[in-house]
Amino acid sequence: NAGVTQTPKFQVLKTGQSMTLQCAQDMNHEYMSWYRQDPGMGLRLIHYSVGAGITDQGEVPNGYNVSRSTTEDFPLRLLSAAPSQTSVYFCASSPWGDQPQHFGDGTRLSIL
Amino acid sequence: AQKITQTQPGMFVQEKEAVTLDCTYDTSDPSYGLFWYKQPSSGEMIFLIYQGSYDQQNATEGRYSLNFQKARKSANLVISASQLGDSAMYFCAMPHGGSQGNLIFGKGTKLSVKP
Repeated sequence: NAGVTQTPKFQVLKTGQSMTLQCAQDMNHEYMSWYRQDPGMGLRLIHYSVGAGITDQGEVPNGYNVSRSTTEDFPLRLLSAAPSQTSVYFCASSPWGDQPQHFGDGTRLSIL
Repeated sequence: AQKITQTQPGMFVQEKEAVTLDCTYDTSDPSYGLFWYKQPSSGEMIFLIYQGSYDQQNATEGRYSLNFQKARKSANLVISASQLGDSAMYFCAMPHGGSQGNLIFGKGTKLSVKP
């Protein structure tokens, strides 16, 4: 059971670089989300999707882009990395209804 | 807008005792749900328990139970017979705008279980 798979697990970037965090789920879930977790801040929603072709902004969307071309994949793109984007990033998915989100193992991103 | 408040940054409990982790929420949605997640030091997010606002009984899952008081807008997590492996961060969360793909989290409570 793969569940939600995030790659890479660790990444170091230089300020101004761009990159894509990958997220894939094999549970045919409609909902997918990206969160960032900073010390003392809990998890904050960046972007989310309620189905293929549909995305929306969360609490902290600036500096990030997403797309949802398939049900399975929900990549998160950093356009021009900034030190303030140093964080742990979690991808999650859930089916319709009152079901819990399944989380990936996270990507620890450091921007120098 | 929805809001989740966890007022206990850290708590200690003796092994085998029960502990209550507080969570209060604010929402104008007539129907909503509350989730609790555990995050051990290894970093993964583990779903523990869910309570729907129209559920007649408090949710229970093994040693976890939810003390849901709708009038007080509180959804406290009770862990019975604490174990050393319960030491972790605990987060309360609820959907924003009715969308399960859009959770709002509290800042969490760090629970430490003492032997």
